[in-house]
Amino acid sequence: SQQGEEDPQALSIQEGENATMNCSYKTSINNLQWYRQNSGRGLVHLILIRSNEREKHSGRLRVTLDTSKKSSSLLITASRAADTASYFCATDEIRGSTLGRLYFGRGTQLTVWP
Amino acid sequence: EAQVTQNPRYLITVTGKKLTVTCSQNMNHEYMSWYRQDPGLGLRQIYYSMNVEVTDKGDVPEGYKVSRKEKRNFPLILESPSPNQTSLYFCASSLSASGSGGGGQYFGPGTRLTVT
Repeated sequence: SQQGEEDPQALSIQEGENATMNCSYKTSINNLQWYRQNSGRGLVHLILIRSNEREKHSGRLRVTLDTSKKSSSLLITASRAADTASYFCATDEIRGSTLGRLYFGRGTQLTVWP
Repeated sequence: EAQVTQNPRYLITVTGKKLTVTCSQNMNHEYMSWYRQDPGLGLRQIYYSMNVEVTDKGDVPEGYKVSRKEKRNFPLILESPSPNQTSLYFCASSLSASGSGGGGQYFGPGTRLTVT
C-alpha cells in the first residue's frame, strides 16, 4: 500500500520559474524523503526531512514538512531544463515494530521548457 | 565509486523460465531492497533485507524470492515468471532502514524485464 501521494501528477513550467510539488501521507512518519528520477533510470536521493523538522534547504531545493497536516512540499527555485524529471516523495512510516518500510508515491512529472 | 549494480539491464524471457536478477553494492550497506515500477502505480516494494540472512516481504512479494547470503549481494529470483511480472525492477541499498541514517537509499540503474 502506498503512503505518500504527490500533487500535481504533472507540472510544466518555463526555465527560471519556481516549481512546487506537494506530498500528502496518511500515518505517522519518522522521516520523509524526496527522490528524483530521470526517464527510465534509477532514483536519486535529494533530501531527507525528519519528523521534528519543519524546513530544510539544499541548494535550489527547499522542503517543508507539516506533520499536523501530514503533508510536505518540494520547491525547486529558478528551474532549469535539466530539472526535467519525475519527483517522488517517500515516507518512513511508523508502524509498531516494523522497520525497513519505505513507501513511495506515484510521482510528479516535471517538465521545464527552455 | 559508490554504486549499486544490477544485471542484466534488459531481459526478455518466456513464461515459466526461471531467472535471477543480480544486485550488488560496494558501500557496505546493511539494508537492501527490491522494488518494481509500473506506469501509474509508482514504486512498490517486493522484498527487503535488514542484514545478512534477514529478509522480509514488502507489498508485492508473490512470485518472487530473495536471498541474502553476503552483505553485498541481494539477488531477486523469479522461479516461474509470468507476464504480469513484466516491469522495471530496481535494487536499492542504504546504511540503515529506509535510508533514515542519512543519504537515503542508493538505487541501481534498473532491470527492464519482459515476460512473454
